[in-house]
Amino acid sequence: EVQLVESGGGLVQPGGSLRLSCAASGFTFSSYSMNWVRQAPGKGLEWVSYISSSSSTIYYADSVKGRFTISRDNAKNSLYLQMNSLRDEDTAVYYCARDGYYYDSSGYHSKAFDIWGQGTMVTVSS
Amino acid sequence: EIVLTQSPGTLSLSPGERATLSCRASQSVSSSYLAWYQQKPGQAPRLLIYGASSRATGIPDRFSGSGSGTDFTLTISRLEPEDFAVYYCQQYGSSPPWTFGQGTKLEIK
Repeated sequence: EVQLVESGGGLVQPGGSLRLSCAASGFTFSSYSMNWVRQAPGKGLEWVSYISSSSSTIYYADSVKGRFTISRDNAKNSLYLQMNSLRDEDTAVYYCARDGYYYDSSGYHSKAFDIWGQGTMVTVSS
Repeated sequence: EIVLTQSPGTLSLSPGERATLSCRASQSVSSSYLAWYQQKPGQAPRLLIYGASSRATGIPDRFSGSGSGTDFTLTISRLEPEDFAVYYCQQYGSSPPWTFGQGTKLEIK
């Protein structure tokens, strides 16, 4: 079964740090780009960060740039998000999501975020 | 940054009825890289449609997507009880940030 399982969430004070993990199983993790997406309580979805399959390309949303670091370990089938200088507005459920793709006669095509984990809650509060 | 605006904010319909959800982009979405997701309370989003009109694996054919450029539509032909949820559109073109609409809540009338 294709699965993503997040862990590492919890309660942290403003200015603190937290490291999220996402364990992948049921597919060849090293072949896929990955993302982190968050959802504040009662709000919509916000893309946070992207990492390519080989870690050669990384992107961040402006709201987290300079504070969060995405990384992966393909040997351990794991994705990470190091979150520093946390703020109240970082409070959210954090999801890892796979960047699906397919090939046809015209080449590579993305299939958007085709597999999601169940999420891990991060609460930033004093 | 491409801003996606979904309408209506809330849609009240009965099982068996047809639902039409709209997503409008502030600029053209490249290669029709527009997706739709369904989210139920306490659950992760689930991919329904990618490439504006292709159904994801295991999605029933009552779900269909259409549109190009800046105007996209998700249609649910005959609503089942399990279809009442929040729906998000997302553009995932060549350059980040990849943005989501604010969501449409589909509720039972």
